[in-house]
Amino acid sequence: GENVEQHPSTLSVQEGDSAVIKCTYSDSASNYFPWYKQELGKGPQLIIDIRSNVGEKKDQRIAVTLNKTAKHFSLHITETQPEDSAVYFCAATPGGYQKVTFGIGTKLQVIP
Amino acid sequence: GAVVSQHPSRVICKSGTSVKIECRSLDFQATTMFWYRQFPKQSLMLMATSNEGSKATYEQGVEKDKFLINHASLTLSTLTVTSAHPEDSSFYICSARDRERGQETQYFGPGTRLLVL
Repeated sequence: GENVEQHPSTLSVQEGDSAVIKCTYSDSASNYFPWYKQELGKGPQLIIDIRSNVGEKKDQRIAVTLNKTAKHFSLHITETQPEDSAVYFCAATPGGYQKVTFGIGTKLQVIP
Repeated sequence: GAVVSQHPSRVICKSGTSVKIECRSLDFQATTMFWYRQFPKQSLMLMATSNEGSKATYEQGVEKDKFLINHASLTLSTLTVTSAHPEDSSFYICSARDRERGQETQYFGPGTRLLVL
């Protein structure tokens, strides 16, 4: 089955700096890679996703890149703000009706 | 759009009782819903996949007689924790796939905090 590794497990950045979270996956059949943000005591919220036919996707301060050859994908947050502080999960799935495999999560702390 | 609700948000019960958690897709139809369990500071652990009108598919190690799942309509799935014990205390989260938007994207509910005394 799919195995998703995520790092770092914790990340502290100064407000205004950029944050990068990296993930790798093992199943070459995976073709859909969502990223979720989870605030304390709440359910995960989809913030951005990317499909395997695209190398990069951007939405305001958030961008995701995908390297299919290396089986890497990354989340980039620019101009970080205190409200970006949360746990971020990457995930991968072959799509269709197959289940989604999540990374272990990265706790991001943005220091004002 | 793509809002998923859960009820209750938190529940405290006595050991040996059963607890039902509801998961609803509010503005879309979900042929597939998922139930996850999350321990503190850990990732989401898939418990089961629930398809409307059919039996749920449970992950290895999850007791189907203990965690009863019913997906009676395209907008509602329920998880019943039967004869709950303290070790069942956890954060339970459901998610739903919007069949109109694509097969892959999952939208999560806000979670239910269960505490068994």
